[in-house]
Amino acid sequence: EPEVTQTPSHQVTQMGQEVILRCVPISNHLYFYWYRQILGQKVEFLVSFYNNEISEKSEIFDDQFSVERPDGSNFTLKIRSTKLEDSAMYFCASSENRETNEKLFFGSGTQLSVL
Amino acid sequence: DQQVKQNSPSLSVQEGRISILNCDYTNSMFDYFLWYKKYPAEGPTFLISISSIKDKNEDGRFTVFLNKSAKHLSLHIVPSQPGDSAVYFCAANALSSGSQGNLIFGKGTKLSVKP
Repeated sequence: EPEVTQTPSHQVTQMGQEVILRCVPISNHLYFYWYRQILGQKVEFLVSFYNNEISEKSEIFDDQFSVERPDGSNFTLKIRSTKLEDSAMYFCASSENRETNEKLFFGSGTQLSVL
Repeated sequence: DQQVKQNSPSLSVQEGRISILNCDYTNSMFDYFLWYKKYPAEGPTFLISISSIKDKNEDGRFTVFLNKSAKHLSLHIVPSQPGDSAVYFCAANALSSGSQGNLIFGKGTKLSVKP
């Protein structure tokens, strides 16, 4: 079964540093998403991406965050200057089309630890 | 601001019995509801969904019930199996408002099915 792949599985960084989280969505999917889950809290929507632009973003997704699809396969989340409160599990997801967006396929996540 | 609430952080059930997981929501704009299952070190996996025009959807051992007037939904698992032990997330979406995959998740209920 096709799957969403995320790398690295665990990222440790110093506060103020830039990090890039990488994702390879399922190949025929058109919609891409980033979610995050802070320890002990709920999974939160960050951003959705379609046709090389952001479709929707949450309040969490401020100017420190950016997303990019640099080539035909990768989808990245960049945090420009990390803060302690950015520590969380970050999930990438993809779906084939909007009408079936309940079929979000999630990756296994990247655990980001900001020290 | 908990638009989707799962008030039971954990549930323990005997194998073969019914598991009932509950979820409440506050936003009247939600018109699509989903349940995701999550194992440790994995991303959420789609389980079952229901549109607000229905009050029941069944898929094998899993049935989701929706009570719109009470803004309440529940997931029934019958019979429960040890492999069902996982964290179950309720999620909601406002598809008709043009939401692009912005799923609002509850905090999850950890289900333990004992042999």
